[in-house]
Amino acid sequence: GDSVTQMEGPVTLSEEAFLTINCTYTATGYPSLFWYVQYPGEGLQLLLKATKADDKGSNKGFEATYRKETTSFHLEKGSVQVSDSAVYFCALIKAAGNKLTFGGGTRVLVKP
Amino acid sequence: GAGVSQSPSNKVTEKGKDVELRCDPISGHTALYWYRQRLGQGLEFLIYFQGNSAPDKSGLPSDRFSAERTGESVSTLTIQRTQQEDSAVYLCASSADRIGASTQYFGPGTRLTVL
Repeated sequence: GDSVTQMEGPVTLSEEAFLTINCTYTATGYPSLFWYVQYPGEGLQLLLKATKADDKGSNKGFEATYRKETTSFHLEKGSVQVSDSAVYFCALIKAAGNKLTFGGGTRVLVKP
Repeated sequence: GAGVSQSPSNKVTEKGKDVELRCDPISGHTALYWYRQRLGQGLEFLIYFQGNSAPDKSGLPSDRFSAERTGESVSTLTIQRTQQEDSAVYLCASSADRIGASTQYFGPGTRLTVL
Protein backbone atom coordinates (compact mmCIF):
# COMPACT_ATOMS: atom_id res chain seq x y z
CA GLY A 1 0.00 0.00 0.00
CA ASP A 2 0.90 3.66 -0.10
CA SER A 3 3.21 5.00 2.57
CA VAL A 4 5.11 8.13 3.56
CA THR A 5 8.32 8.12 5.55
CA GLN A 6 9.77 11.22 7.10
CA MET A 7 12.66 11.82 9.40
CA GLU A 8 11.99 11.43 13.06
CA GLY A 9 12.35 14.37 15.35
CA PRO A 10 12.70 16.31 17.32
CA VAL A 11 14.85 18.58 15.24
CA THR A 12 16.34 21.36 17.33
CA LEU A 13 18.10 24.26 15.71
CA SER A 14 18.94 27.90 16.27
CA GLU A 15 17.20 30.86 14.72
CA GLU A 16 18.38 31.67 11.17
CA ALA A 17 19.65 28.11 10.68
CA PHE A 18 18.86 26.08 7.54
CA LEU A 19 16.13 23.48 7.93
CA THR A 20 15.66 20.31 5.93
CA ILE A 21 13.06 17.66 6.69
CA ASN A 22 13.36 14.57 4.53
CA CYS A 23 10.28 12.88 3.13
CA THR A 24 10.08 9.87 0.83
CA TYR A 25 7.02 8.06 -0.40
CA THR A 26 5.83 4.80 -1.88
CA ALA A 27 2.80 4.90 -4.13
CA THR A 28 1.59 3.62 -7.45
CA GLY A 29 0.77 6.11 -10.15
CA TYR A 30 1.30 9.82 -9.77
CA PRO A 31 0.24 11.11 -6.37
CA SER A 32 0.02 14.71 -5.27
CA LEU A 33 2.32 15.60 -2.39
CA PHE A 34 1.71 17.90 0.55
CA TRP A 35 3.34 19.37 3.60
CA TYR A 36 1.02 20.18 6.49
CA VAL A 37 2.07 22.04 9.64
CA GLN A 38 0.62 21.89 13.14
CA TYR A 39 1.61 24.84 15.32
CA PRO A 40 1.36 24.40 19.10
CA GLY A 41 -2.26 24.44 20.19
CA GLU A 42 -3.55 24.85 16.65
CA GLY A 43 -5.11 22.66 13.98
CA LEU A 44 -3.42 21.16 10.96
CA GLN A 45 -2.77 23.64 8.14
CA LEU A 46 -1.67 23.13 4.57
CA LEU A 47 1.82 24.56 4.13
CA LEU A 48 2.47 23.74 0.47
CA LYS A 49 1.75 21.18 -2.20
CA ALA A 50 2.94 19.89 -5.56
CA THR A 51 0.82 17.93 -8.00
CA LYS A 52 3.29 16.63 -10.58
CA ALA A 53 6.92 15.72 -11.03
CA ASP A 54 9.42 18.62 -10.82
CA ASP A 55 6.78 20.98 -9.42
CA LYS A 56 8.00 23.15 -6.58
CA GLY A 57 5.64 24.11 -3.81
CA SER A 58 6.48 27.18 -1.74
CA ASN A 59 4.96 29.19 1.08
CA LYS A 60 6.19 31.27 4.02
CA GLY A 61 9.81 30.78 2.92
CA PHE A 62 9.45 26.98 2.81
CA GLU A 63 10.03 25.04 -0.40
CA ALA A 64 9.71 21.44 -1.51
CA THR A 65 10.28 19.92 -4.95
CA TYR A 66 8.46 16.82 -6.21
CA ARG A 67 11.22 14.42 -7.24
CA LYS A 68 9.74 11.38 -8.93
CA GLU A 69 13.09 9.78 -9.66
CA THR A 70 13.90 9.62 -5.95
CA THR A 71 10.26 9.51 -4.75
CA SER A 72 11.01 12.39 -2.43
CA PHE A 73 9.50 15.70 -1.35
CA HIS A 74 11.99 17.19 1.10
CA LEU A 75 11.00 20.38 2.91
CA GLU A 76 13.53 23.21 3.19
CA LYS A 77 13.76 26.68 4.63
CA GLY A 78 16.84 28.81 4.43
CA SER A 79 16.50 30.77 7.67
CA VAL A 80 14.12 29.55 10.35
CA GLN A 81 12.45 31.65 13.00
CA VAL A 82 11.23 30.77 16.47
CA SER A 83 7.70 30.98 15.07
CA ASP A 84 8.47 28.02 12.78
CA SER A 85 8.49 25.71 15.80
CA ALA A 86 5.80 23.16 14.99
CA VAL A 87 5.16 19.60 13.87
CA TYR A 88 5.47 19.08 10.12
CA PHE A 89 3.66 16.29 8.27
CA CYS A 90 4.40 15.04 4.78
CA ALA A 91 1.44 13.47 2.98
CA LEU A 92 0.30 12.14 -0.37
CA ILE A 93 -2.96 11.56 -2.15
CA LYS A 94 -3.59 9.55 -5.28
CA ALA A 95 -4.83 11.36 -8.37
CA ALA A 96 -8.21 9.68 -8.10
CA GLY A 97 -7.93 9.10 -4.41
CA ASN A 98 -9.92 10.42 -1.52
CA LYS A 99 -7.67 10.05 1.47
CA LEU A 100 -4.40 11.58 2.54
CA THR A 101 -1.67 9.19 3.63
CA PHE A 102 0.52 10.88 6.23
CA GLY A 103 4.01 10.41 7.51
CA GLY A 104 4.57 10.23 11.24
CA GLY A 105 5.37 13.91 11.65
CA THR A 106 8.59 15.73 12.53
CA ARG A 107 8.70 18.07 15.50
CA VAL A 108 10.88 21.13 14.92
CA LEU A 109 12.02 23.36 17.76
CA VAL A 110 13.74 26.62 16.91
CA LYS A 111 15.62 28.29 19.75
CA PRO A 112 16.38 32.03 19.83
CA GLY B 1 -15.68 32.35 5.71
CA ALA B 2 -15.66 30.08 8.72
CA GLY B 3 -13.39 27.09 8.76
CA VAL B 4 -14.15 23.52 9.74
CA SER B 5 -15.48 23.32 13.27
CA GLN B 6 -15.64 20.34 15.59
CA SER B 7 -17.29 19.66 18.90
CA PRO B 8 -16.60 18.94 21.63
CA SER B 9 -12.99 20.05 21.74
CA ASN B 10 -12.28 17.61 24.55
CA LYS B 11 -14.13 14.51 25.66
CA VAL B 12 -13.29 12.29 28.61
CA THR B 13 -15.29 9.10 28.91
CA GLU B 14 -15.24 5.82 30.73
CA LYS B 15 -14.40 2.58 29.01
CA GLY B 16 -17.51 0.97 27.57
CA LYS B 17 -19.47 4.19 27.04
CA ASP B 18 -20.56 5.47 23.63
CA VAL B 19 -19.35 8.85 22.33
CA GLU B 20 -20.49 11.05 19.48
CA LEU B 21 -18.22 13.58 17.80
CA ARG B 22 -19.49 16.33 15.52
CA CYS B 23 -18.02 18.06 12.48
CA ASP B 24 -19.29 21.13 10.63
CA PRO B 25 -17.51 21.41 7.27
CA ILE B 26 -16.82 24.57 5.35
CA SER B 27 -20.01 25.70 3.64
CA GLY B 28 -20.19 24.43 0.08
CA HIS B 29 -17.58 21.73 0.53
CA THR B 30 -18.88 18.48 -0.90
CA ALA B 31 -16.21 16.17 0.49
CA LEU B 32 -15.75 15.38 4.19
CA TYR B 33 -13.13 13.22 5.85
CA TRP B 34 -12.47 11.83 9.32
CA TYR B 35 -8.96 11.03 10.51
CA ARG B 36 -7.50 9.82 13.81
CA GLN B 37 -4.23 11.01 15.29
CA ARG B 38 -2.81 8.91 18.08
CA LEU B 39 -0.25 10.46 20.39
CA GLY B 40 3.06 11.01 18.60
CA GLN B 41 1.84 9.47 15.36
CA GLY B 42 0.65 10.60 11.98
CA LEU B 43 -2.95 10.77 10.92
CA GLU B 44 -4.91 7.65 9.99
CA PHE B 45 -7.77 7.87 7.53
CA LEU B 46 -11.11 6.67 8.89
CA ILE B 47 -13.95 7.52 6.50
CA TYR B 48 -14.79 9.74 3.52
CA PHE B 49 -18.10 11.24 2.36
CA GLN B 50 -18.70 12.76 -1.06
CA GLY B 51 -22.13 14.21 -1.77
CA ASN B 52 -24.76 11.51 -1.90
CA SER B 53 -22.34 8.75 -2.89
CA ALA B 54 -21.79 5.75 -0.65
CA PRO B 55 -19.10 6.63 1.92
CA ASP B 56 -15.65 5.06 1.82
CA LYS B 57 -15.47 3.29 5.19
CA SER B 58 -12.25 1.43 4.47
CA GLY B 59 -10.33 3.08 7.31
CA LEU B 60 -12.73 2.36 10.15
CA PRO B 61 -10.80 0.17 12.61
CA SER B 62 -13.75 -1.87 13.88
CA ASP B 63 -17.52 -2.16 13.75
CA ARG B 64 -17.68 -0.07 16.92
CA PHE B 65 -16.97 2.95 14.71
CA SER B 66 -19.63 4.48 12.49
CA ALA B 67 -20.25 7.85 10.87
CA GLU B 68 -23.12 9.65 9.22
CA ARG B 69 -23.48 12.72 7.09
CA THR B 70 -26.69 14.32 5.94
CA GLY B 71 -26.27 15.73 2.46
CA GLU B 72 -23.34 18.13 2.38
CA SER B 73 -23.64 19.32 5.95
CA VAL B 74 -22.82 18.13 9.43
CA SER B 75 -21.22 14.77 10.10
CA THR B 76 -21.14 12.74 13.29
CA LEU B 77 -18.63 10.05 14.19
CA THR B 78 -19.89 7.57 16.77
CA ILE B 79 -17.73 5.19 18.76
CA GLN B 80 -19.61 2.53 20.65
CA ARG B 81 -18.32 0.70 23.72
CA THR B 82 -15.17 2.81 23.82
CA GLN B 83 -11.82 1.20 24.62
CA GLN B 84 -8.66 2.79 25.94
CA GLU B 85 -6.97 2.34 22.57
CA ASP B 86 -9.60 4.68 21.10
CA SER B 87 -7.94 7.58 22.92
CA ALA B 88 -6.72 9.96 20.23
CA VAL B 89 -7.42 13.26 18.54
CA TYR B 90 -10.17 12.87 15.95
CA LEU B 91 -9.81 15.30 13.07
CA CYS B 92 -12.35 16.24 10.47
CA ALA B 93 -11.49 17.81 7.14
CA SER B 94 -13.46 19.06 4.16
CA SER B 95 -12.61 19.91 0.58
CA ALA B 96 -14.36 21.63 -2.27
CA ASP B 97 -14.49 18.61 -4.54
CA ARG B 98 -13.42 15.04 -4.93
CA ILE B 99 -10.37 15.66 -7.10
CA GLY B 100 -7.35 14.13 -5.37
CA ALA B 101 -5.27 17.29 -5.31
CA SER B 102 -8.05 19.40 -3.86
CA THR B 103 -6.86 20.89 -0.57
CA GLN B 104 -8.32 19.38 2.56
CA TYR B 105 -9.00 21.91 5.32
CA PHE B 106 -8.82 20.52 8.82
CA GLY B 107 -10.78 21.33 11.94
CA PRO B 108 -9.16 21.77 15.36
CA GLY B 109 -9.98 18.21 16.37
CA THR B 110 -11.68 16.50 19.29
CA ARG B 111 -9.34 15.06 21.90
CA LEU B 112 -10.90 11.85 23.19
CA THR B 113 -9.63 10.28 26.40
CA VAL B 114 -11.00 6.90 27.44
CA LEU B 115 -10.33 6.09 31.08
